[in-house]
Amino acid sequence: EPEVTQTPSHQVTQMGQEVILRCVPISNHLYFYWYRQILGQKVEFLVSFYNNEISEKSEIFDDQFSVERPDGSNFTLKIRSTKLEDSAMYFCASKGVLAGGDNEQFFGPGTRLTVL
Amino acid sequence: GENVEQHPSTLSVQEGDSAVIKCTYSDSASNYFPWYKQELGKGPQLIIDIRSNVGEKKDQRIAVTLNKTAKHFSLHITETQPEDSAVYFCAAILNRDDKIIFGKGTRLHILP
Repeated sequence: EPEVTQTPSHQVTQMGQEVILRCVPISNHLYFYWYRQILGQKVEFLVSFYNNEISEKSEIFDDQFSVERPDGSNFTLKIRSTKLEDSAMYFCASKGVLAGGDNEQFFGPGTRLTVL
Repeated sequence: GENVEQHPSTLSVQEGDSAVIKCTYSDSASNYFPWYKQELGKGPQLIIDIRSNVGEKKDQRIAVTLNKTAKHFSLHITETQPEDSAVYFCAAILNRDDKIIFGKGTRLHILP
């Protein structure tokens, strides 16, 4: 069964450093998302991406964040200058387009980001 | 914007008993309500969903109900088994949007 994959599974970085989180969505999917989950809190929407541009972003997704689909398979989230409060689990998701407009987003296993 | 509240935050039930998790949403424009199960070290996995034109849906031991008037929806798991132990998230999606608004999650423990 096709699945979304994410690397690395755990990233430790120093405050102020740049990090890139990588995702490989399901191959025929067209919509891509990033969510994050701070420990003990809700899973929160960050950004959606379609047709090589951002469709929607939340208030969390400020100028320090960017997304890119550098080739036909990867979808990346970059945080330019990490802050302590960026420590969270980051989930990538992807969605296809099926007849009837199915809304299911498939989630990857997540990358745990720890900012020291 | 949409806000989803979920209760309880923790639930312990004896194996074989039923578990019920309840959620409310705020925006009447939400029309799709998925439920996710998250096991340790994994991302949320869709287990069942319901659309706003349906009041109830069942899939084997799992059922969801939706009360549009009250903006309530619930997950029912019958004949619980050890492998049902996980964190369960309810969620809502507005028809015009694409982002999932999650509840805070319920940690379900199935006691032997």
